[in-house]
Amino acid sequence: GAGVSQSPRYKVAKRGQDVALRCDPISGHVSLFWYQQALGQGPEFLTYFQNEAQLDKSGLPSDRFFAERPEGSVSTLKIQRTQQEDSAVYLCASSLALGGASYNEQFFGPGTRLTVL
Amino acid sequence: AQRVTQPEKLLSVFKGAPVELKCNYSYSGSPELFWYVQYSRQRLQLLLRHISRESIKGFTADLNKGETSFHLKKPFAQEEDSAMYYCALSLYSGGGADGLTFGKGTHLIIQP
Repeated sequence: GAGVSQSPRYKVAKRGQDVALRCDPISGHVSLFWYQQALGQGPEFLTYFQNEAQLDKSGLPSDRFFAERPEGSVSTLKIQRTQQEDSAVYLCASSLALGGASYNEQFFGPGTRLTVL
Repeated sequence: AQRVTQPEKLLSVFKGAPVELKCNYSYSGSPELFWYVQYSRQRLQLLLRHISRESIKGFTADLNKGETSFHLKKPFAQEEDSAMYYCALSLYSGGGADGLTFGKGTHLIIQP
């Protein structure tokens, strides 16, 4: 079956522009995660949804970053007034998880590479 | 706050040689540890997790709580093992209901 998909795969924005990044999780996956991966670094957690509820947004670096998942499926990460330091690969992951002891692997998408000029 | 440290950015070994990728973590509780791998032009994928205690593609990793380490080992490296390897930590059992904390990654190169 299809894995996690993300669009666009590449995005170039001028400083100050707003961008929207889309994530389509695996069908039926309850949990959805966004990560930011700067060049030469590991992924860093941004935010987490369980269905449509945003349960953790502690990793969002500023109030310019906003994520939503209104129907508990597709998610959008929006960055307002982009800055050069926002340049990174943005990864989306989904899992079946509802928490608890049983293991639920996070499946990652290919990422969106954002370059802010 | 929890942290994952991978001290080697780059590790180069010859085919057939043993490989050990180091990972240390800091967290006062009992986290769950993972190794993720990213092959060239592919997406990040799970390699193994400490709870399952299994060997995947010849790789094993043992959680040492005393040393807070989770090193990845393979006795005989193969060229197809060349990839980026990330050690990751989850605060909750299950690893799928909270954000993972990743190390910076180690680029493993297997020379022929």
